[in-house]
Amino acid sequence: AQKITQTQPGMFVQEKEAVTLDCTYDTSDQSYGLFWYKQPSSGEMIFLIYQGSYDEQNATEGRYSLNFQKARKSANLVISASQLGDSAMYFCAIRTHNFNKFYFGSGTKLNVKP
Amino acid sequence: EPEVTQTPSHQVTQMGQEVILRCVPISNHLYFYWYRQILGQKVEFLVSFYNNEISEKSEIFDDQFSVERPDGSNFTLKIRSTKLEDSAMYFCASGTGYTGELFFGEGSRLTVL
Repeated sequence: AQKITQTQPGMFVQEKEAVTLDCTYDTSDQSYGLFWYKQPSSGEMIFLIYQGSYDEQNATEGRYSLNFQKARKSANLVISASQLGDSAMYFCAIRTHNFNKFYFGSGTKLNVKP
Repeated sequence: EPEVTQTPSHQVTQMGQEVILRCVPISNHLYFYWYRQILGQKVEFLVSFYNNEISEKSEIFDDQFSVERPDGSNFTLKIRSTKLEDSAMYFCASGTGYTGELFFGEGSRLTVL
């Protein structure tokens, strides 16, 4: 079975500061994928970043980076230089090895203050 | 950039009525999914579909739900007899099965009265 835990229901960050959103996971799969999605108030799910379980380097996509610590089963999202438009709900997700299922965490609501 | 499209964007229906939500996945994708999100809550897996059949379904996906890929491009979710608790945003998603990246549509908001 798979499980994703996001322990921060809400966070505030000052504009231009960096912020880390926590995500821990539990899986019995040897091969899996970890994802972060952004959901603004408009409701759509926007893919941000992906980390494969066998990837040795942390994934980066622009201002987003994924701090992958496999032994600790954590996949934290780091957003550098926060912008007002980053205010949204952020979901961490894990994909099973056979692509049949993605499990989502409960989300973290990020508010960026001017 | 290719995208997953969903129709309708919003549907209001009476309890007990049948609803069909439609999705056009990205054309070269092989894996298709339906998820739902009750307002303010987490995204819940409903069903995955691969090679023209259901590959996995959740306990939520009971007999009132069904999925079809009627014509090789559309991917539909049918809810046979809607209940009040079916009110949610329903997301279709598709993926290649290579990177495992999942692309979501913009969602169909279902309101059951």
